[in-house]
Amino acid sequence: KQEVTQIPAALSVPEGENLVLNCSFTDSAIYNLQWFRQDPGKGLTSLLLIQSSQREQTSGRLNASLDKSSGRSTLYIAASQPGDSATYLCAVTGNTGKLIFGQGTTLQVKP
Amino acid sequence: EPEVTQTPSHQVTQMGQEVILRCVPISNHLYFYWYRQILGQKVEFLVSFYNNEISEKSEIFDDQFSVERPDGSNFTLKIRSTKLEDSAMYFCANKAQISTDTQYFGPGTRLTVL
Repeated sequence: KQEVTQIPAALSVPEGENLVLNCSFTDSAIYNLQWFRQDPGKGLTSLLLIQSSQREQTSGRLNASLDKSSGRSTLYIAASQPGDSATYLCAVTGNTGKLIFGQGTTLQVKP
Repeated sequence: EPEVTQTPSHQVTQMGQEVILRCVPISNHLYFYWYRQILGQKVEFLVSFYNNEISEKSEIFDDQFSVERPDGSNFTLKIRSTKLEDSAMYFCANKAQISTDTQYFGPGTRLTVL
């Protein structure tokens, strides 16, 4: 059974810092991995999707990497801003299409 | 940019009552999902739906739950007799292709069962 774990559970950094969020999964037989952002009481916004054949994806200040064989992904946020404060969720997709989520990392960026 | 919409945004109901949560997916998307998130817990898969049939369901999705596309556009989740533990955020999601595409989520419906 696929399990997704995110470390750390919470992170607080000063504005401008670069940071890395970690995600690990137990079964490497995934089709893709998706990173989401969730603001308090809100829905999920897709940030990046990495196909299983890819190593990384970039969007603006965000860079996500995938090491499928070791069951790991990282989300790198460059030059963090207070507006980046949110919970970041990692989720993997298997052959049935459903997403299996980690518990998230809650990020606070202090001005 | 197309988006997924959900109604209502918040539903309060008494235990034992039926509720219907509604979703309008992105046009031309073929694969539909419901997830839920109990406060402070992980987002959990409930059910997937394709070609007017359930493709997969979790153990959470018991006989009290059902899904349908009543008019070919809306996608609904019905809970027949709500329990206190059904209180959660319910998210609808959809995508164009089975395995390779991004899933797009709606803003969610917060269900509170009293």
